[in-house]
Parts: sequence; structure tokens; C-alpha cells
Amino acid sequence: DGGITQSPKYLFRKEGQNVTLSCEQNLNHDAMYWYRQDPGQGLRLIYYSQIVNDFQKGDIAEGYSVSREKKESFPLTVTSAQKNPTAFYLCASRDRENQPQHFGDGTRLSIL
Amino acid sequence: AQSVTQLGSHVSVSEGALVLLRCNYSSSVPPYLFWYVQYPNQGLQLLLKYTSAATLVKGINGFEAEFKKSETSFHLTKPSAHMSDAAEYFCAVSGVETSYDKVIFGPGTSLSVIP
Repeated sequence: DGGITQSPKYLFRKEGQNVTLSCEQNLNHDAMYWYRQDPGQGLRLIYYSQIVNDFQKGDIAEGYSVSREKKESFPLTVTSAQKNPTAFYLCASRDRENQPQHFGDGTRLSIL
Repeated sequence: AQSVTQLGSHVSVSEGALVLLRCNYSSSVPPYLFWYVQYPNQGLQLLLKYTSAATLVKGINGFEAEFKKSETSFHLTKPSAHMSDAAEYFCAVSGVETSYDKVIFGPGTSLSVIP
């Protein structure tokens, strides 16, 4: 079945540590997105990419980095510069602008 | 900038009662509109979408939504609530004023269903 796979499901970060969240899709979608979800705040866009080797900052990019070396993969790194990383992170992809996004099942990141 | 509002961060209905979740958008040009549902610790699942075809859109699980340009609204309804409908619901929009590559989400409405 086609879909988006996020891993791991749960992740713990120590102080000063960078962690990377994986997102893989086999839907052959061009565009991919990373969102952060905090309780009561909906989804906030971190980064998005429309084609390989190109990506744009979203509304809350500070403290995060991404890469898009392959069409099917869009990993997100939460750096030590992100002082409040505890949140639920969602990856999404979509085919064209009038089509809905498809979402992964999310990664919950917590601080040790 | 384009925005999406969802009136009521929390809605409670009795089992079997009508579900009405409100969504309004700000745009001078009809955008593409979507409703998603999210269960705890899961990703978002598409309920339905409006992409300038019929104004009354039917989705999964008995939900439907009506696009009203004059009211800039896209409210979600279901005639009879079921316990399994308890979840978080998000309205989203993309289109001309956001640039087509972005999707703007509303803050969400948490639906509770009372037995």
C-alpha cells in the first residue's frame, strides 16, 4: 500500500543533542511538508519542499533543518538550537495544489 | 494573508444528534478547501475536499460539507453522531492567496460524543 512512513514513533532528546526524524513516502508525490503540533495550537509549518534538492522555510523554521536528496525522503533534524522541541511532528506529502495532503502517523519528541 | 477560523475549540453532542463544525476562510478567490480528522496520537486523515466542483461535498464516514462563497464558509455536518466520531477536526485551505504550495490549517475543533 502507498503511504507515508514516519519513524520512530517516539523519540527522546538529551540537552545539546541533535535528533533526526525520518519521513519516507512511496506515493511518488513531488511536495513534502513538516508540521509541528502542540496541544491546542493546530499545525504549524516548519519546512516544505516541492522538488528534490530544494526546500523553503515555513512559519517556525528556527532550530530545525531539512534535506531533500531523494524524492521519497524528507528527514527533519531538530537541532540543539530548538529550545522547546517537545511536540508531535507530522510529515505530509501531496501531488498537486488542488489535491489534499497525505499524512504520516507522526513522531512524538520529548526531552529527557 | 489567508486564514482559517474554526468557531468553537470544543464541541459536545449527544450520540445520534446532528454534528455541525464551523469553518470560515478569508479569501477573495475561492480556494481549495479540506476537512481532516485526527484521532489521538495519529496523523490526519482526509474527510472530504472542495476543489470548485459541486458546492455540496460528501466525504467518508457520513460527513458532508457545503461551500458557501457568499459566507466564505465550509461547515462540516453529519446527521447522526456516533461514538467513533469523537476526535479532532481540522479545516484547511490552499489556493491563490497562500500560494499553491502551502496549506493553511485552522486551529482545530475537538468533538466529544456523549452516550
